[in-house]
Amino acid sequence: GAVVSQHPSWVICKSGTSVKIECRSLDFQATTMFWYRQFPKQSLMLMATSNEGSKATYEQGVEKDKFLINHASLTLSTLTVTSAHPEDSSFYICSAPTRQGENIQYFGAGTRLSVL
Amino acid sequence: GDSVTQMEGPVTLSEEAFLTINCTYTATGYPSLFWYVQYPGEGLQLLLKATKADDKGSNKGFEATYRKETTSFHLEKGSVQVSDSAVYFCALRGGQGAQKLVFGQGTRLTINP
Repeated sequence: GAVVSQHPSWVICKSGTSVKIECRSLDFQATTMFWYRQFPKQSLMLMATSNEGSKATYEQGVEKDKFLINHASLTLSTLTVTSAHPEDSSFYICSAPTRQGENIQYFGAGTRLSVL
Repeated sequence: GDSVTQMEGPVTLSEEAFLTINCTYTATGYPSLFWYVQYPGEGLQLLLKATKADDKGSNKGFEATYRKETTSFHLEKGSVQVSDSAVYFCALRGGQGAQKLVFGQGTRLTINP
């Protein structure tokens, strides 16, 4: 089946630094990818929709200058958490449907971000 | 807006017990409904889905029926195994070509031998 790879799986950084998380579709092209955030014992909350070759679409309440998304190719989307602070510590997950409008999404294993 | 409410966990059962994880939803139109499973250290995987009322999704012994009248999509399995221990997420995708998924809060299931 389709595979989505996410890297790194775990990152620890100092407050004020920026962290980049990569999401790759390994055996299919993804014009759209999704970024979620998951707090402990809570649901996945959609942060933004990443669109290849165009600007990402952010959900209400998500700071676009804080969470920079770049979808420069059909197999790679990146999420950069800029000037990270402890409240940004969370589990970030990406997903991609294998074809535009397909009813199934494939998920990465997630990235745990800890900001000290 | 659309929302999904899931049975709170954690749920602990003995092997071969019957499992039910409740899921209800609120949505406009005709959503598609999903159950995803997340095993330790892995990404979410689609377990089963149903795209219209009265559809039954099934996979690996798990079943869920799309009940429009009760806005529910409860997950069931007749005899659970230790390997079923994971976190289970109920989710919906709105109609009219929407791609966004709305998730429930997840239910952690632990099966003891």
